[in-house]
Amino acid sequence: DQQVKQNSPSLSVQEGRISILNCDYTNSMFDYFLWYKKYPAEGPTFLISISSIKDKNEDGRFTVFLNKSAKHLSLHIVPSQPGDSAVYFCAASARSSWGKLQFGAGTQVVVTP
Amino acid sequence: DADVTQTPRNRITKTGKRIMLECSQTKGHDRMYWYRQDPGLGLRLIYYSFDVKDINKGEISDGYSVSRQAQAKFSLSLESAIPNQTALYFCATSGDPGPTYNEQFFGPGTRLTVL
Repeated sequence: DQQVKQNSPSLSVQEGRISILNCDYTNSMFDYFLWYKKYPAEGPTFLISISSIKDKNEDGRFTVFLNKSAKHLSLHIVPSQPGDSAVYFCAASARSSWGKLQFGAGTQVVVTP
Repeated sequence: DADVTQTPRNRITKTGKRIMLECSQTKGHDRMYWYRQDPGLGLRLIYYSFDVKDINKGEISDGYSVSRQAQAKFSLSLESAIPNQTALYFCATSGDPGPTYNEQFFGPGTRLTVL
């Protein structure tokens, strides 16, 4: 049973517009959330994270929002650029599991000119 | 130079063969992980090791074994490969617990095909 779910397998967005990627989780013990970006033929690379004590974290064009009551987080990319075309994975961990991550299935983002 | 390397990058093998995938890291991390990626399922944890003497099963360890030869090396073996082990395999590392201890650093992956 997947504890981290990304229900949109793909997303197409125009260059310059906002990309919004969504992630839901079921385990209330999760207290740290990460987004990874993956290009073809490469390993995932860390993008941004958020602790459960916050509801927003921003890093340049990337912002992650956390809604603990809804067990939902989202990644906003503004503005979207062609280099953002990649697969994005949501991941979560619980302090009790000491660094083990649970990953979602990923969302393929395509940024069109 | 890459911090986390995996060999081979691609491998095609036959059912029943023994296969070893190797991972090396220069990040000085104690924690190492093996994942497999399948379409629609994301990354699933096979085995993890928090130091050289500590090996733990992940959520899908059946059919796999691992060896932690040194702090920097963590190998994954398929004793008798089967077609449903065809997947993309990733090794990852992470540092000691701290503000960013959850961040894992991934190798480039090994694409394994079992015929």
